[in-house]
Amino acid sequence: ETGVTQTPRHLVMGMTNKKSLKCEQHLGHNAMYWYKQSAKKPLELMFVYNFKEQTENNSVPSRFSPECPNSSHLFLHLHTLQPEDSALYLCASSQTGTPAFGSGTRLTVV
Amino acid sequence: EDKVVQSPLSLVVHEGDTVTLNCSYEVTNFRSLLWYKQEKKAPTFLFMLTSSGIEKKSGRLSSILDKKELFSILNITATQTGDSAVYLCAVEVNSGGSNYKLTFGKGTLLTVNP
Repeated sequence: ETGVTQTPRHLVMGMTNKKSLKCEQHLGHNAMYWYKQSAKKPLELMFVYNFKEQTENNSVPSRFSPECPNSSHLFLHLHTLQPEDSALYLCASSQTGTPAFGSGTRLTVV
Repeated sequence: EDKVVQSPLSLVVHEGDTVTLNCSYEVTNFRSLLWYKQEKKAPTFLFMLTSSGIEKKSGRLSSILDKKELFSILNITATQTGDSAVYLCAVEVNSGGSNYKLTFGKGTLLTVNP
């Protein structure tokens, strides 16, 4: 148990659906991250939040919309996704040291 | 653009073998280099390296960083089937002020056969 909890574990959605991924950390960290892990590609940083403020948007398409209501919670809102968006979405949090990762949400877009 | 390159991309060995995984990087504002092990979902932290030439050890695993030549190696001795996993190398950089971000390599898929 890393202290970072992601839900749901698996998600299948159609291209016209709207869904949200949730991440929660109980570590008192002030930074939270969304990463995308596609097959045979490196982990790609999507968004970074520090003290609830977005400090990095790595040229992510607008069909992915993050929300950070407080330092413990991070959401990724999804709408009109494409099949190539199917991947493992990992949330991480950190303070000044090494990030801790959640178990991820395996997303399949059909 | 920050770049992290791992080699080999995959490796198959027999139990008891020793393996060396490589990670080279080209980044701006280097802060640290991290190794993670990813078996099913969440990458789990192995080592964080900030200084050159100082070996970090944890059981059969060890790692060292060379900041002059911009690379790190991860050694695993007397491998076991439980070592089968993807090993990820990541470099942490300062992205401005007190903000930091990780850039990952593609990973090395290690398979240890009995």
